[in-house]
Order: sequence, then structure tokens, then C-alpha cells
Amino acid sequence: AQSVAQPEDQVNVAEGNPLTVKCTYSVSGNPYLFWYVQYPNRGLQFLLKYITGDNLVKGSYGFEAEFNKSQTSFHLKKPSALVSDSALYFCAVRDGTGGSYIPTFGRGTSLIVHP
Amino acid sequence: NAGVTQTPKFQVLKTGQSMTLQCAQDMNHNSMYWYRQDPGMGLRLIYYSASEGTTDKGEVPNGYNVSRLNKREFSLRLESAAPSQTSVYFCASRVSGGASYNEQFFGPGTRLTVL
Repeated sequence: AQSVAQPEDQVNVAEGNPLTVKCTYSVSGNPYLFWYVQYPNRGLQFLLKYITGDNLVKGSYGFEAEFNKSQTSFHLKKPSALVSDSALYFCAVRDGTGGSYIPTFGRGTSLIVHP
Repeated sequence: NAGVTQTPKFQVLKTGQSMTLQCAQDMNHNSMYWYRQDPGMGLRLIYYSASEGTTDKGEVPNGYNVSRLNKREFSLRLESAAPSQTSVYFCASRVSGGASYNEQFFGPGTRLTVL
């Protein structure tokens, strides 16, 4: 079985400050981890992924995420937040040792960046 | 290259009515998915199709049927709509190989209300 937890329904941050959106996961095999962003009235857009290799993954729009195997976490980060980063963020996990591609999504975290 | 397209964008049904949600992708992806998004629930998988000619149930398949018409098109049918099926429906396809392997592309969504 696989699962994802996004412990915060909402994260508030001031523009220019660093931001972190938290994600923890549970999977029996190798974790494939993803972050997606959803702007209002739009579909989800891929941000970044961890499959293997460096624990720090860089993605679109200046976002990065750090894979921590011991803490089973994959937190999304950005050094300096922009008002335009305000959106709904989803973490997803897939068991990489399985044959079928069925990711499990978290419930989402609403990021609000204040001017 | 239009990506993933969905029709209609909005729909209001009465309880017991039927309808089909259409989805098409022009990226030559093998796998396609139907999700529903409800507040606080994240994305839940309804059905998926790993390749043309195959379909499988996801987490919440009851009340839905699907057809993978060809490699491009994957439709979702509600035979007898219920108020519990009021939701936003997203179609997605998955990159089949290369550097973007495992990434999903999402359509803009269909907002369905069942009265």
C-alpha cells in the first residue's frame, strides 16, 4: 500500500520569504515522488519529481524539493516566494517497484503568499 | 499541440440523467486516467487505461463506466447521475518514456453539478 500526507491544509508566507510545503509518504518499495501545482480553475501541472539520484531535486518556477529517506519526507521549498506562487499544491507517490503506474495524491496544501 | 482536452467544461444534470465526459490527448501517450477532485479529498482515481484496449478500476469506480476508444480518446460515462457525483473531473495522460517518463499531464477539468 502507498499513502501520502500533507499535514497542512494552508500555508501562509510573505512575499520574498522562503516557503516550505510539507509532504510525508509511505510506500513498501522504492518511492517515486512528485509535486504538482493547481492554479484556480485549472488542471494540475507537473512541478518536479524524484525517481533516483540526488536528494535535492530542482523543478519549474524556482521550486525544489528534498528527498529524505529516513524521515520519509519530500518537502517542497522555494527560497523567495512570489504572490504568483499562490495556488494549491499536491504531493504524489508511486511505488517504483510495482508494475502499474497508479500514483496516490495527497489532499493538497493551499499556499497563500501575501504582498 | 493541444495537450489534454476535455469537454464539456461545465455541466448541470438532474438526478438519474446520463452523460459522457470526453477526453483526448495528442501527445501519443499510452496511459490515460480519470480522477475526481472534491474539497479536502485531493484527487481520487476513478478508472485508468494503461494502453489502448485496456481499462481498470481505480479507487472510486462505482457509478461510472469508461471507454478507451483509441489511443487518443478516453471517455467517462455516468449512467444514472447522483448528487454524490457532483465534483470536478480531470482527465490525465502519462508520458510513456524519455526524460519526462512518469509525469502526468492533466486536462482543464469538467465541473459537474448533479441536482
